[in-house]
Amino acid sequence: AQSVAQPEDQVNVAEGNPLTVKCTYSVSGNPYLFWYVQYPNRGLQFLLKYITGDNLVKGSYGFEAEFNKSQTSFHLKKPSALVSDSALYFCAVRDGNSGGYQKVTFGIGTKLQVIP
Amino acid sequence: NAGVTQTPKFQVLKTGQSMTLQCAQDMNHNSMYWYRQDPGMGLRLIYYSASEGTTDKGEVPNGYNVSRLNKREFSLRLESAAPSQTSVYFCASSEALRGRSNQPQHFGDGTRLSIL
Repeated sequence: AQSVAQPEDQVNVAEGNPLTVKCTYSVSGNPYLFWYVQYPNRGLQFLLKYITGDNLVKGSYGFEAEFNKSQTSFHLKKPSALVSDSALYFCAVRDGNSGGYQKVTFGIGTKLQVIP
Repeated sequence: NAGVTQTPKFQVLKTGQSMTLQCAQDMNHNSMYWYRQDPGMGLRLIYYSASEGTTDKGEVPNGYNVSRLNKREFSLRLESAAPSQTSVYFCASSEALRGRSNQPQHFGDGTRLSIL
C-alpha cells in the first residue's frame, strides 16, 4: 500500500521569507510524486511532479520541490513567499513501477498562510 | 478551454433524497475520478474510471454509484442521501491511469453538497 504524510496542518511564514511545506511518502516501487495547490472554493491545480532525474524539480509560480530518496521526502519550497501563495497544498504519490492500474494517493493537505 | 466542468456547484438535499452529480471534461482524457473532500481527511477516492466502459471502486464507495456515459462524461449518483455524505465532491481527469503514466490529474471546481 502507498501512503503520503504531510506532518504540518498549517505553516505560517512572513512575506518575502523562504517557505517549506513538508511531505514524506511510502511506496513499494519507484515513486511518482506530485504537488497540487487549492485556492478557496476551487479545485486542485497541478504545481509540479517528480518522475525521475534531477532531485530538484521546478514548477509553476516559482515553486520547486526536492526529492530525497533516502529520507522518502518530497518537500515543496519557494525562495520568497507571496501573500497570494496562501492556500492549501497537497502532496500525492503513485507507484511508477506498476504495469496495471494504480491510483494516486493524496496527503491530507497543509494550509500555508503568508503573513504580510 | 473549459477543462473539467462540474454541475451543480451547490446543492442542499434532505435525507433520503437522490441526486446525480455531473462531470464533463474536454481534454480527451481516458481516466476520470470522483473524490470527496472533508476537513482533516484530505481527498478520498470514491470511484474511478480508468477508461471508457470501465468503473472501479475507490476507498469510500458505499452509498454511491457511477456511470461513465462516454469518454467525456462521468456522473456520480447518491441513491438515498445521508447526512454523512455532506461534503465537497470533486471530479478529476487524467490522460491515463495505466502503467507508467505520469500525467497529473485535472480537477473541476467541486460541488458543495449539504444533506439535512
